[in-house]
Amino acid sequence: QKEVEQDPGPLSVPEGAIVSLNCTYSNSAFQYFMWYRQYSRKGPELLMYTYSSGNKEDGRFTAQVDKSSKYISLFIRDSQPSDSATYLCAMSFTGGGNKLTFGTGTQLKVEL
Amino acid sequence: NAGVTQTPKFQVLKTGQSMTLQCAQDMNHNSMYWYRQDPGMGLRLIYYSASEGTTDKGEVPNGYNVSRLNKREFSLRLESAAPSQTSVYFCAGGLAGKGTGELFFGEGSRLTVL
Repeated sequence: QKEVEQDPGPLSVPEGAIVSLNCTYSNSAFQYFMWYRQYSRKGPELLMYTYSSGNKEDGRFTAQVDKSSKYISLFIRDSQPSDSATYLCAMSFTGGGNKLTFGTGTQLKVEL
Repeated sequence: NAGVTQTPKFQVLKTGQSMTLQCAQDMNHNSMYWYRQDPGMGLRLIYYSASEGTTDKGEVPNGYNVSRLNKREFSLRLESAAPSQTSVYFCAGGLAGKGTGELFFGEGSRLTVL
């Protein structure tokens, strides 16, 4: 069993829809939770970062962490075609610096 | 302002050949990383360097070696390439100690081993 599980998709939604992307994990020592966005044939770029449990909002994006359930989510409101990409969740330990454990990524396509 | 630059972007090797992937960053990162990305497997850490002069194994180090040449450069070497090493390789840099998980990735090097 992988430490971090993520549905690979693909997920196809109409423009303007609310998108929910999720990851589950098995290691309760993870304390830092991130979402990276990766466009086709590009490197991943950091989208959202959350420490421990709770919510964080940045524009159309909201990240949620539920440590009791070992479950993290990324919500995208008013989705746009430019949001079409692969979304990777990532996690790390306290003291782990920037050594990240990634999910496999969910491919999202936002249709006009 | 180049960020993280990887060379080459594409490479085809025959089984048993050797090659070195180069990575250079101009963002003053302390730590640097090499990941490989395969379908269904996500990004897996091969080696990392927490600071200049140090290197450590990641999750999948077998068949690879690394050199942290200086603060800017971190190279990945395949001594005897195997088809299982066909992958997309990403170099990344980060500020050690910051702990925010923010890594800056290069655009990737696509390697095919025949």
